[in-house]
Amino acid sequence: DTAVSQTPKYLVTQMGNDKSIKCEQNLGHDTMYWYKQDSKKFLKIMFSYNNKELIINETVPNRFSPKSPDKAHLNLHINSLELGDSAVYFCASSHPGTSGRGQFFGPGTRLTVL
Amino acid sequence: EDQVTQSPEALRLQEGESSSLNCSYTVSGLRGLFWYRQDPGKGPEFLFTLYSAGEEKEKERLKATLTKKESFLHITAPKPEDSATYLCAIDGGTSYGKLTFGQGTILTVHP
Repeated sequence: DTAVSQTPKYLVTQMGNDKSIKCEQNLGHDTMYWYKQDSKKFLKIMFSYNNKELIINETVPNRFSPKSPDKAHLNLHINSLELGDSAVYFCASSHPGTSGRGQFFGPGTRLTVL
Repeated sequence: EDQVTQSPEALRLQEGESSSLNCSYTVSGLRGLFWYRQDPGKGPEFLFTLYSAGEEKEKERLKATLTKKESFLHITAPKPEDSATYLCAIDGGTSYGKLTFGQGTILTVHP
């Protein structure tokens, strides 16, 4: 009965590698997001998709590429990983024009780049 | 640019000791202010949305209020299970659903 799920929960990899994080939501929401939470717990939006269309693309290196195969899934692919990419990445979803009901977050993926 | 500042960074309370968390914000047009709770190793959990100055929302021991410049999260007679990081976020309406978060307040309630 998980609402927003992410895989993997932990990801440890070497600098220069390419990795992907997957996200799925079963809430019937049209909008999905990727956030990055740094070591100081500061949560910052990276991307947002509405019904498979990219609508928010913050200042994020081109090494990060989101992909939305359908409105229930939003994956994040990261090329040429760097030490500074180490963080917790959260996926979230919401109804369109959400403000009222808030965004629902997944459990997070802790990425460690060695 | 939308900005959110939360204070204090950390707050330690004894069980039953009421207090308030502050969220100051700067935005050209507020569409909504959100409070979230985050437990260690988990994603943020939605608590409240406030839309306009003077609005209040309550849930169990928590009460959120909003003015034109800040929001308060009042915790009445807290229990140890209220210990968590509380995050404030605003939707400034600049981009569809974009939230700007504060850095959070880490609340610890001792029995």
